[in-house]
Amino acid sequence: ETGVTQTPRHLVMGMTNKKSLKCEQHLGHNAMYWYKQSAKKPLELMFVYSLEERVENNSVPSRFSPECPNSSHLFLHLHTLQPEDSALYLCASSQEYIGRNTGELFFGEGSRLTVL
Amino acid sequence: GNSVTQMEGPVTLSEEAFLTINCTYTATGYPSLFWYVQYPGEGLQLLLKATKADDKGSNKGFEATYRKETTSFHLEKGSVQVSDSAVYFCALAGGSSNTGKLIFGQGTTLQVKP
Repeated sequence: ETGVTQTPRHLVMGMTNKKSLKCEQHLGHNAMYWYKQSAKKPLELMFVYSLEERVENNSVPSRFSPECPNSSHLFLHLHTLQPEDSALYLCASSQEYIGRNTGELFFGEGSRLTVL
Repeated sequence: GNSVTQMEGPVTLSEEAFLTINCTYTATGYPSLFWYVQYPGEGLQLLLKATKADDKGSNKGFEATYRKETTSFHLEKGSVQVSDSAVYFCALAGGSSNTGKLIFGQGTTLQVKP
C-alpha cells in the first residue's frame, strides 16, 4: 500500500467518549501533520511531528492529544470533545519539515468526525 | 506573518469555459507557491507549484505563474470540465522564515455544470 492512509474514515462520538484517529504513511517521510478542516474556514494546522518529535502545537485544546510512536504512524486521541470540534481531520506527511522541505504535502483522505 | 488570500467562491462555470481563480500572498523573501486541489470526499493533493519568480507551474491543463511584482499566483485553465469540480487551495511555504509550515488560503469551490 502506498501514500497516506487514515482510519476511520467516519466517526461519530458523544462528548464523553474517548476515541482515536490513526494515520499511517508509506512514503518514508520524516514529518507528519494534523490539520482540521471546518466548513467555510481555512485549513488549521494543529500539530507537526518531525522525526517523531513534536515541533508545532498551534494552541490546540488539550482535549486533542497527538501521539507519534514512529515516523510512519501518527495518532490523534480525542477526549471530551465539543460539538464545534466536528470537522474533517486531515493527516499529511512530507519528506522533511525544515530546510529540505519543498512544501509538498501528501494528504490522507481524512477522518470525518461528528460530535453529538 | 505570511498569509494567502483567495477569491471567494463558489465559482460556477459551464463546461469548456475559461477559469481564473485569484490568489495573492504576503511574505518576506522568496517563498514557494502551490495550488492544491480537493475532490469531493478526498484529501488535498498537489496540483502544481512554482519555486521562484516568473516560474510557471502547470498540470492537467491548469497553469499558474509566480508574479513577484504583484505578489500573485492566479490559477487558470482554458477549458474546464465537469470533473474539475473541486475545492482549490492556494498555499505558500518558505520565504525568509524558512520553516516547514505550509500556509493555506481559505479555498475556492469550483462547480462546473454540463
